[in-house]
Amino acid sequence: DIVMTQSPDSLAVSLGERATINCKSSQSVLYISNNKNYLGWYQQKPGQPPKLLIYWASTRESGVPDRFSGSGSGTDFTLTISSLQAEDVAVYYCQQYYSTPYTFGQGTKLEIK
Amino acid sequence: QVQLQESGPGLVKPSETLSLTCTVSGGSVSSGGYYWSWIRQPPGKGLEWIGYIFYSGSTNYNPSLKSRVTISVDTSKNQFSLKLSSVTAADTAVYYCARGLMTTVLNPLDYWGQGTLVTVSS
Repeated sequence: DIVMTQSPDSLAVSLGERATINCKSSQSVLYISNNKNYLGWYQQKPGQPPKLLIYWASTRESGVPDRFSGSGSGTDFTLTISSLQAEDVAVYYCQQYYSTPYTFGQGTKLEIK
Repeated sequence: QVQLQESGPGLVKPSETLSLTCTVSGGSVSSGGYYWSWIRQPPGKGLEWIGYIFYSGSTNYNPSLKSRVTISVDTSKNQFSLKLSSVTAADTAVYYCARGLMTTVLNPLDYWGQGTLVTVSS
């Protein structure tokens, strides 16, 4: 299984400031034949299901604000929120869909400082 | 707009079989362009992928659960289902059904149900 490790486990950022969450996979999730990273980011608010934010490591899902961006390749990835809003308080998960079993990171809890 | 809704018992006794159904509206499980998944989340913990099914009935399960899991699809009712046998307290979780787009590859899960809490207890 591919192990996904996020850092930090929790993060407190002031409103309007940048938030950065890291995700590392135990093996590459870059598929050479199509040059795509099989890595997604989800946001989960309390009592709600996860919501897909980013796929292919850097493609924003339709309707997701452009303050959310994803970057990275191979085994190291980053989710950045450029200017934190109150509604961004949530737990964020990365997930690899390169190979089954699909696996998620342990989650990063983002709070307002 | 696609909507998914989980249903089933909220309480299951140890050693029995957990059975859940996901009803899809606004879309068809018969569509060849999607795959249908189950994911679970123990209270206060992270997400675990259980498995997926295509409309054809072809499945892929998490090896950690494979011996106990069956996912099936009922195109006449526009539903897909999860059965997990020989449950223990460790199977207590919120169970989500979700849809993923299938193009030349499997894309991540873009529509999720609200989830249903299943507690395993006598």
